[in-house]
Amino acid sequence: AQKITQTQPGMFVQEKEAVTLDCTYDTSDQSYGLFWYKQPSSGEMIFLIYQGSYDEQNATEGRYSLNFQKARKSANLVISASQLGDSAMYFCAMREVGGSNYKLTFGKGTLLTVNP
Amino acid sequence: DSGVTQTPKHLITATGQRVTLRCSPRSGDLSVYWYQQSLDQGLQFLIQYYNGEERAKGNILERFSAQQFPDLHSELNLSSLELGDSALYFCASSRTLQRGGPYEQYFGPGTRLTVT
Repeated sequence: AQKITQTQPGMFVQEKEAVTLDCTYDTSDQSYGLFWYKQPSSGEMIFLIYQGSYDEQNATEGRYSLNFQKARKSANLVISASQLGDSAMYFCAMREVGGSNYKLTFGKGTLLTVNP
Repeated sequence: DSGVTQTPKHLITATGQRVTLRCSPRSGDLSVYWYQQSLDQGLQFLIQYYNGEERAKGNILERFSAQQFPDLHSELNLSSLELGDSALYFCASSRTLQRGGPYEQYFGPGTRLTVT
């Protein structure tokens, strides 16, 4: 069974600084996908970034990058130049690729607070 | 705006009642997923439909059922409601189920269900 672990219940960062949110995963699958979602206080789930298990380069999307270390089974999210609007809950998720079940398995999340 | 719509946004009902949550996927998306988010269980996958057919089931109670209609909208039916069913229910949609590619899931704004 797939499992996602986010060990940081809460993180604080100063505006304009970079922050890393940790995510480790456990799976016996060779092919899988890793996702990060942002959930602001308003409640919606916003897709941020995706990394495939066979992708050789780390994914980047604007200020978001994914530090993918396959051997360590980690997929940390790096947010550069934090903004006040980045304050939110962040979820790491995994999806099996190639099977018939495309569900996402989520971690418990990290609450990020950006201080001015 | 993810393009996924959910109605109603809020729902307050009493124990023992039955409710129906509605979801319209993004234009062109054939796959619909339902998730439940609660404080104690976190984000959990309930059920997935693809082009009208059930594809996968997660931790969905027998009191809950879902369907996807020919126009691809989906409904989640919750019956014999209990206090513990109070949660935020998300619908998400994604493109096809072809292997490979991110096929990230885009989430609707959610329906907040309160059972009193």
